[in-house]
Amino acid sequence: LAKTTQPISMDSYEGQEVNITCSHNNIATNDYITWYQQFPSQGPRFIIQGYKTKVTNEVASLFIPADRKSSTLSLPRVSLSDTAVYYCLVGYQKVTFGTGTKLQVIP
Amino acid sequence: NAGVTQTPKFQVLKTGQSMTLQCAQDMNHNSMYWYRQDPGMGLRLIYYSASEGTTDKGEVPNGYNVSRLNKREFSLRLESAAPSQTSVYFCASSLTQNTIYFGEGSWLTVV
Repeated sequence: LAKTTQPISMDSYEGQEVNITCSHNNIATNDYITWYQQFPSQGPRFIIQGYKTKVTNEVASLFIPADRKSSTLSLPRVSLSDTAVYYCLVGYQKVTFGTGTKLQVIP
Repeated sequence: NAGVTQTPKFQVLKTGQSMTLQCAQDMNHNSMYWYRQDPGMGLRLIYYSASEGTTDKGEVPNGYNVSRLNKREFSLRLESAAPSQTSVYFCASSLTQNTIYFGEGSWLTVV
């Protein structure tokens, strides 16, 4: 299973773009990269998934370089409601979550 | 549109008691999971089931047993609860790679 490394915490002001980078040096050829968001007292929920290059949906963008050894979740113009823990996952089936990145959005 | 349903939501056990956490999904997913999350920590995989009739240990399986009763249901049993098993337990399911859907969680306290 590919191990992931993310910053433990980040602070951002409202309205700013936030980029959270995840390192996954031993990603396998057929592994996808998926990001989840978790609010207190709730289960994580899917944000975005990608395999290579760039993926964008209504919530976020995911940038994956050609070597796929890292990925960056980009949240445009964050609001207070984006305060949460963000997890980067690599692989499938027996997936494990790390400690994630705790994002604090400041008014 | 139930998704993943867990019961009970809250439970207090005495050390040594046993209990079963129930989980059911109505999305026709093949894979199901049980995770635990301790305060301020990430989720740790307890057991995983790739399909009906198969189960596999995760990171922290000691003290737990599971049953994949059918495609919909995946139960987690604590045979002899210990205070170290006080945690929030999440059941989850998935069909495709990594698109995992979680239940609302079960808060378990062992005293």
